[in-house]
Amino acid sequence: DAGVIQSPRHEVTEMGQEVTLRCKPISGHDYLFWYRQTMMRGLELLIYFNNNVPIDDSGMPEDRFSAKMPNASFSTLKIQPSEPRDSAVYFCASSGTPLGYGYTFGSGTRLTVV
Amino acid sequence: KNQVEQSPQSLIILEGKNCTLQCNYTVSPFSNLRWYKQDTGRGPVSLTIMTFSENTKSNGRYTATLDADTKQSSLHITASQLSDSASYICVVIPNTGTASKLTFGTGTRLQVTL
Repeated sequence: DAGVIQSPRHEVTEMGQEVTLRCKPISGHDYLFWYRQTMMRGLELLIYFNNNVPIDDSGMPEDRFSAKMPNASFSTLKIQPSEPRDSAVYFCASSGTPLGYGYTFGSGTRLTVV
Repeated sequence: KNQVEQSPQSLIILEGKNCTLQCNYTVSPFSNLRWYKQDTGRGPVSLTIMTFSENTKSNGRYTATLDADTKQSSLHITASQLSDSASYICVVIPNTGTASKLTFGTGTRLQVTL
């Protein structure tokens, strides 16, 4: 298995632009998680899905952030409009259970908003 | 508020030496505690997972210990190698059965030098 695949690896965009981050979970994993990592706050859970349905989005910072999972093999995290404070590394992870031992992170997308 | 604190924030050691990283937590009750290794530019990778009843668990040169009474865990690295240079993150999973309550420490950045 290729693991959790995220794209792009790096994204540089101007303030106000729309940004879309993509994630392909491990096949067969029913849970998908989006995280944000910064030096100051570490890893923070933004939202997670179970069987393509959003379960908890309480970590989404504000309405500028939205996430979708149209099918079991694809998810997007969108920021519109982007702001410099959104600069961070965004990770996607998937698991066969919500707290499962197969919990696997992708390599992340480093977002820089200038 | 549930918290996970790690120390030291950063550490530099010579190749071949041992080191110990600390994790103190207030999450209670908890399901399990995990240590992750995060290489630069990569996602976190699980090293060890310990349940409430386990005191120690090893993974090669990595040994994690857990004292549930004092709410402390440590990760001991034996005979360090250059490839051990990474951030090490302690994660505590509360006994609530929901992924949204995972609590991450901000990590210890380890550098192994010649």
